[in-house]
Amino acid sequence: GAGVSQSPSNKVTEKGKDVELRCDPISGHTALYWYRQSLGQGLEFLIYFQGNSAPDKSGLPSDRFSAERTGGSVSTLTIQRTQQEDSAVYLCASSPSSETQYFGPGTRLLVL
Amino acid sequence: RKEVEQDPGPFNVPEGATVAFNCTYSNSASQSFFWYRQDCRKEPKLLMSVYSSGNEDGRFTAQLNRASQYISLLIRDSKLSDSATYLCVVNHRTFNKFYFGSGTKLNVKP
Repeated sequence: GAGVSQSPSNKVTEKGKDVELRCDPISGHTALYWYRQSLGQGLEFLIYFQGNSAPDKSGLPSDRFSAERTGGSVSTLTIQRTQQEDSAVYLCASSPSSETQYFGPGTRLLVL
Repeated sequence: RKEVEQDPGPFNVPEGATVAFNCTYSNSASQSFFWYRQDCRKEPKLLMSVYSSGNEDGRFTAQLNRASQYISLLIRDSKLSDSATYLCVVNHRTFNKFYFGSGTKLNVKP
């Protein structure tokens, strides 16, 4: 079946612009996670959605970052007024339970 | 202190070698444990879950020591295709958050 998809696969933007990153989770997965990974580094948790519960936003690095999940399915991560340090790979994962996660291919963001 | 700690490596081994990675976790309430594999410029993919009694999948063996709060991964008869970064992951079922180690890099040489 279809896996997690993310778009765009690559995004180049200028400092100060806003960007939106999209994640389509696996159908039926109730949990959705956003992470970011800088070059050569581990995964940094950003935000977690579980069903209709309030999201866990504890990993968002600043108020320039926000995310929403509409209808319990598609999620959008928005970064406002991008900075060069926001350059990273943004990974989305979905999960049917606490047992495992399935990752999308990521969006590579480059802020010039 | 990080939730999950791993030796970053790299571990450089010849084909056919046996190699072992360890990982420690800080929260004794952690309830699910996994090893993921991440190839260069790719997303992480689940390699195997880690069960309390230990489990094996072909050349890969995973073990959990709850008392000492560490997880291990043993790879036997290493192949060139095993070259990747191996991520140790724990889950707190109460919060359903996954905590990732920064990964251990393995290079298998001909």
